[in-house]
Amino acid sequence: EAGVAQSPRYKIIEKRQSVAFWCNPISGHATLYWYQQILGQGPKLLIQFQNNGVVDDSQLPKDRFSAERLKGVDSTLKIQPAKLEDSAVYLCASSLRDRPNQPQHFGDGTRLSIL
Amino acid sequence: EDQVTQSPEALRLQEGESSSLNCSYTVSGLRGLFWYRQDPGKGPEFLFTLYSAGEEKEKERLKATLTKKESFLHITAPKPEDSATYLCAVQAEYGQNFVFGPGTRLSVLP
Repeated sequence: EAGVAQSPRYKIIEKRQSVAFWCNPISGHATLYWYQQILGQGPKLLIQFQNNGVVDDSQLPKDRFSAERLKGVDSTLKIQPAKLEDSAVYLCASSLRDRPNQPQHFGDGTRLSIL
Repeated sequence: EDQVTQSPEALRLQEGESSSLNCSYTVSGLRGLFWYRQDPGKGPEFLFTLYSAGEEKEKERLKATLTKKESFLHITAPKPEDSATYLCAVQAEYGQNFVFGPGTRLSVLP
């Protein structure tokens, strides 16, 4: 079974620029999550999709962050404009469905550095 | 507000020296508690899910237990390959979906 794929692996941009991350979940997984992990901290949930729809985006800074999941498969997360505090690893995860007995499977993330 | 804390922040063990990691949580109705392992430059890897107080799960040298306020990850006779950051997360019945703790960085020296 192929795992969660993310690209790019690394990205360096200047503040106020825009950036986009891509995620391809495990085939058949209906639920998709985006997390932000700042160095030395645990992942923080940004947004959760169930198929095409948003289940939870309460911690997404909507003035600069946006995410979409077209056709219920791949997803993109965008930051525009980026700030210095956005430097972090952005992790994508997927699960079969939103049930506690379904573990989340994570990709290896995109490491974003803001200059 | 749902909260998860982990202790210690970092732990150094000699190979074969057993120990425990702690995860304390405050949540309004626990739906599930999860343990993950994270290696440098990698995403978290799922280890266990616990649902109710008194429950225990085992996998190789790892054993996770759950009470009403905390969970322990016991590591028996660890090996250097067990070195990683161990993350605890809770899923609440209401409110925030998944809340992760800051993790415990475990180093096992040969």
